[in-house]
Amino acid sequence: DQQVKQNSPSLSVQEGRISILNCDYTNSMFDYFLWYKKYPAEGPTFLISISSIKDKNEDGRFTVFLNKSAKHLSLHIVPSQPGDSAVYFCAASEIDGQNFVFGPGTRLSVLP
Amino acid sequence: EPEVTQTPSHQVTQMGQEVILRCVPISNHLYFYWYRQILGQKVEFLVSFYNNEISEKSEIFDDQFSVERPDGSNFTLKIRSTKLEDSAMYFCAARRAASTDTQYFGPGTRLTVL
Repeated sequence: DQQVKQNSPSLSVQEGRISILNCDYTNSMFDYFLWYKKYPAEGPTFLISISSIKDKNEDGRFTVFLNKSAKHLSLHIVPSQPGDSAVYFCAASEIDGQNFVFGPGTRLSVLP
Repeated sequence: EPEVTQTPSHQVTQMGQEVILRCVPISNHLYFYWYRQILGQKVEFLVSFYNNEISEKSEIFDDQFSVERPDGSNFTLKIRSTKLEDSAMYFCAARRAASTDTQYFGPGTRLTVL
């Protein structure tokens, strides 16, 4: 039962270009979404979040878009840098939820 | 960024042995979590802990698992009798209060059960 899906296990992008990471969810009770970045041998690091009352949130090079009707969100990284190479996890939580449900992750490789 | 620390970084144990994984959350954080990630798989929720009791747990968190915060500082995950399939990275996370608050993760403990 995959409540949070990231259908692309990997993505390669040229440095300077846009990286678009996608995430789909099935639970309509999810109300809050986060993106985490994970380097090897480290814990997930918070990147950016969005709640369902918004459809876009921007923080520097990172923008998250939420389409609630389609149960879809995406993370845009512009411009992509080699240091962005990591595994990116989408995570979702219900209103007042205690825990986050994580997607399987997408490995982003930014090529110099 | 606030720092959650975990010890040990790597634990190797024999099947059937008990292990205790330790986490030192951020001091003003009130909610604590354990997650695990089996190699090559997604991060899975195990348990959440607030006010010295479990507030939510997943199906993975069976009777072999327990959590406590014995000294008000360290937050521990105990696996009573380890199985081979318990081999994974175990991440501790903490957040301040509101459900929309960010969870800050520790670096993880790699548990290897032989």
